[in-house]
Amino acid sequence: AQSVTQLGSHVSVSEGALVLLRCNYSSSVPPYLFWYVQYPNQGLQLLLKYTTGATLVKGINGFEAEFKKSETSFHLTKPSAHMSDAAEYFCAVRPGGNDMRFGAGTRLTVKP
Amino acid sequence: DADVTQTPRNRITKTGKRIMLECSQTKGHDRMYWYRQDPGLGLQLIYYSFDVKDINKGEISDGYSVSRQAQAKFSLSLESAIPNQTALYFCATSGQGYNEQFFGPGTRLTVL
Repeated sequence: AQSVTQLGSHVSVSEGALVLLRCNYSSSVPPYLFWYVQYPNQGLQLLLKYTTGATLVKGINGFEAEFKKSETSFHLTKPSAHMSDAAEYFCAVRPGGNDMRFGAGTRLTVKP
Repeated sequence: DADVTQTPRNRITKTGKRIMLECSQTKGHDRMYWYRQDPGLGLQLIYYSFDVKDINKGEISDGYSVSRQAQAKFSLSLESAIPNQTALYFCATSGQGYNEQFFGPGTRLTVL
């Protein structure tokens, strides 16, 4: 069975600080990996995805994530947080098939 | 106009009532999904459909049913609503060749 674990349900950073949101997965087959962002009262929006190829993927709004197979991780980073980054972030895994599984989410707070 | 729309956006109902949530998409995608979101649990898959004649149960289908009226429309029904079905419900779509899913804005359902 495949699953997704997001470490930390809440993360708080200061504006301008590094953002690091952690995601680990378990999968019996090579997975496709995704990060989504959810702003208040909105649906989920794709930030970035890894399917094949380069393991460091860049997304929208300055976010990037690195697929590390040996660590079964797909952590999301942004060098400098902005107030507008405050939202809930979901990691998701799709293990080569049709069933996408989501993590429980991490709520990011950005302090001025 | 939004590519994936959901109606209603908010609904309050009473225990035992039948409720239908509707989803429409203009993306031309074959695949449609219904999820529910509960705080701290992420998104859980209720039902999914790969085309008009294909309906599949997800992780938590008990108490729910669906109808795929057309390629562009996928409805979720609660035959007899109960309070623990209070949640945020999302419709999503994906197309062949796309690995990610595209989400609607959500329906907030409260069952009293």
